[in-house]
Amino acid sequence: EIVLTQSPGTLSLSPGERATLSCRASQSVSSSYLAWYQQKPGQAPRLLIYGASSRATGIPDRFSGSGSGTDFTLTINRLEPEDFAVYYCQQHGSSSLSWTFGQGTKVEIK
Amino acid sequence: QVQLQESGPRLVKPSETLSLTCAVSRYSISSGYYWAWIRQPPGKGLEWIASMYHSGATYNNPSLKSRATISVDTSKNQFSLKLSSVTAADTAVYYCARVAGSGYMDVWGKGTAVTVSS
Repeated sequence: EIVLTQSPGTLSLSPGERATLSCRASQSVSSSYLAWYQQKPGQAPRLLIYGASSRATGIPDRFSGSGSGTDFTLTINRLEPEDFAVYYCQQHGSSSLSWTFGQGTKVEIK
Repeated sequence: QVQLQESGPRLVKPSETLSLTCAVSRYSISSGYYWAWIRQPPGKGLEWIASMYHSGATYNNPSLKSRATISVDTSKNQFSLKLSSVTAADTAVYYCARVAGSGYMDVWGKGTAVTVSS
């Protein structure tokens, strides 16, 4: 089973700053099967990025994803007040037919 | 726009079976995609429970030790989750989601909170 480890656990930033979130896999993950989600309190997760770097419909271009192999990054440029939330990475094992999530990174207002 | 809506009992007794349904609107389940259940214990992260392909093939999280069963009712355009022998550790918000072929979950229900308690 692939384990996804996200860092840092909490990121304290001010509006307008850049957020860099890391997701590291315990073994290589196909970029096609790596996604990022945003979750606000009391809400369901929302898909941000799929295929490691493709933005989902309606997602602003200040959100970008990158990476390959075992290291993936979500970058949020110029944080807006509505971006303060918890972010999860997720992978799908096409051979193991399983899905796993990272433990999440909370982006909080400094 | 595709919509998913979870429903089921909010309170389940320990050792009993938790049963939830996800009603899908504006898309026919039998047309394609995977469909999944995910849960989130209070204050914790997301955990994948089970998925099924529209054709009926199912996939379970091994950490749940075969307690989870996912099934589909195409006549009602809904899919369901049964989780047996529940304990307090199964207390969580349960979400259903549509899953694209590349494994990402592009449409989510709003979630339903289930408490396991006597």
